[in-house]
Amino acid sequence: DSGVTQTPKHLITATGQRVTLRCSPRSGDLSVYWYQQSLDQGLQFLIQYYNGEERAKGNILERFSAQQFPDLHSELNLSSLELGDSALYFCASSPGTVENSPLHFGNGTRLTVT
Amino acid sequence: ILNVEQSPQSLHVQEGDSTNFTCSFPSSNFYALHWYRWETAKSPEALFVMTLNGDEKKKGRISATLNTKEGYSYLYIKGSQPEDSATYLCASDSGGYQKVTFGIGTKLQVIP
Repeated sequence: DSGVTQTPKHLITATGQRVTLRCSPRSGDLSVYWYQQSLDQGLQFLIQYYNGEERAKGNILERFSAQQFPDLHSELNLSSLELGDSALYFCASSPGTVENSPLHFGNGTRLTVT
Repeated sequence: ILNVEQSPQSLHVQEGDSTNFTCSFPSSNFYALHWYRWETAKSPEALFVMTLNGDEKKKGRISATLNTKEGYSYLYIKGSQPEDSATYLCASDSGGYQKVTFGIGTKLQVIP
């Protein structure tokens, strides 16, 4: 158990809809990362937050947004969903204050857009 | 190298064989190199985080080396076992704001 909690585990929704994925980092971790894994693709970096502030941004679509709350949990909002958004979405956390610390991953949310 | 590249993409070895795979990463703006093991239906788990040129790390039968000047790292598995079957990911940490970029992985299948 990595200590990172993601909900829900599975999500099935229709095109055009909006969903919210939730992540609770490991106790004490200040950094949260979001990654997308589509079929036969590697982990694509979406966005990183540190202690409530956006720190780094990857190839995140404008239809996607995220935030990290004062209690350090994070939410990834996906709107105007398209079939191509179907993927496994991972959240990971790290201390953010300790150099060279590894990422600890949640179990992912599998999103299916029909 | 602009992105993180891993080779081979997949590998089948017999139980007991030793094997290795490669991770290439941008040598500019290098901060750290991560290796993760990702078993089917689970989430990636960290194996090593390496920072210094020439660094070598070991965990049981798995070891890794790092060359930051030329931008590559090798992961070695000695005496492969069926339980080593997994996808092995490497990731480059460009430091500063810690954008950690992953390669596509090497999928290892150990045949009993």
